[in-house]
Amino acid sequence: SQQGEEDPQALSIQEGENATMNCSYKTSINNLQWYRQNSGRGLVHLILIRSNEREKHSGRLRVTLDTSKKSSSLLITASRAADTASYFCATDRVNNNDMRFGAGTRLTVKP
Amino acid sequence: EAQVTQNPRYLITVTGKKLTVTCSQNMNHEYMSWYRQDPGLGLRQIYYSMNVEVTDKGDVPEGYKVSRKEKRNFPLILESPSPNQTSLYFCASSPRTGRDGYTFGSGTRLTVV
Repeated sequence: SQQGEEDPQALSIQEGENATMNCSYKTSINNLQWYRQNSGRGLVHLILIRSNEREKHSGRLRVTLDTSKKSSSLLITASRAADTASYFCATDRVNNNDMRFGAGTRLTVKP
Repeated sequence: EAQVTQNPRYLITVTGKKLTVTCSQNMNHEYMSWYRQDPGLGLRQIYYSMNVEVTDKGDVPEGYKVSRKEKRNFPLILESPSPNQTSLYFCASSPRTGRDGYTFGSGTRLTVV
């Protein structure tokens, strides 16, 4: 079963706009990670936020984590056509040794 | 270059013919894992390994086997493939169990006819 569920399933925006994707999860976590996948290729790790952190930045990426609501958001600012990809959240759950991924958000950035 | 290498990249096989998908990492990572990706279902974990000779089932282990005899290698074995195992498979590794980000291989697209 999936731990993370991304919302929306698909998002289409214009270049230069901001893109926000959300992730909800069910059980307590040690950390939450976001990954990017270009069309059938391997996933690339973007950012990791630990359970005691509320916000993290990396370049144009901003991730927030609300453990009380069991949710996270990924914001991509000033999007580019090259940001077109699928984005997945993954959770490292407390007392588990596996990593659970959601079904992903498909982001399309139009030039 | 630090990487996870999977082979083959594409594979078409027939039902019941045993196959192995290889996975190797050159980063001295302790943790390795196999996932399958299907449309609408995201990535589902098949097996994972926390270290040499330590493996455990993920969410969808049926029909698969793994072994971890060396730290760098984590092959995925399908003893008798069936069409419902047609999927995109990914191997991934991490320094430690989930505590660090994964490095993913490029994927193996398997078709079982």
